[in-house]
Amino acid sequence: DGGITQSPKYLFRKEGQNVTLSCEQNLNHDAMYWYRQDPGQGLRLIYYSQIVNDFQKGDIAEGYSVSREKKESFPLTVTSAQKNPTAFYLCASSTGTELTKNIQYFGAGTRLSVL
Amino acid sequence: GQNIDQPTEMTATEGAIVQINCTYQTSGFNGLFWYQQHAGEAPTFLSYNVLDGLEEKGRFSSFLSRSKGYSYLLLKELQMKDSASYLCAVIDGNYQLIWGAGTKLIIKP
Repeated sequence: DGGITQSPKYLFRKEGQNVTLSCEQNLNHDAMYWYRQDPGQGLRLIYYSQIVNDFQKGDIAEGYSVSREKKESFPLTVTSAQKNPTAFYLCASSTGTELTKNIQYFGAGTRLSVL
Repeated sequence: GQNIDQPTEMTATEGAIVQINCTYQTSGFNGLFWYQQHAGEAPTFLSYNVLDGLEEKGRFSSFLSRSKGYSYLLLKELQMKDSASYLCAVIDGNYQLIWGAGTKLIIKP
């Protein structure tokens, strides 16, 4: 079955620690995205990538980093510089960014908490 | 600034009809999406509207008026499994996707 796999489902971070969230897709999609979801707020874009070895900052990129070495994979690192990392993190992919190709398909999410 | 407004929460009865509204102010418009999200799960695509009018898909319909900056999602014959949050998202003039905060729909027997 094609889809997007995020792991782990739950993650705990200690002070000063970097943690990496995994996102893998087998949909052969070119574009991939990372969002943060907080209660009472819309999804906020952290980073996105339209092609391998290229990515752009979204609205709230500070304290986060990404890589896109393979088409299938788009890991997100939450660094110690992110002072309020507790949130639900969602990874998505789409065939492209033009309107009709921008239907985004989501993974099941990773819930990150601070110890 | 860009803004999408949806009611925070709505309650409806099983078997009834409910309409969830979404109004938007964005820099340009290139389409509107509706997604369903059950608690703690991934959003799933429901519909998209590009032109004015009604798009029907089974029990769900979505309407768009570009001149009014307005859309609604209509759910008929409500079932308990329809209890979820419904997210409205607009593609702006730069092809960036702007998300509303979502409407939590509670279905009562």
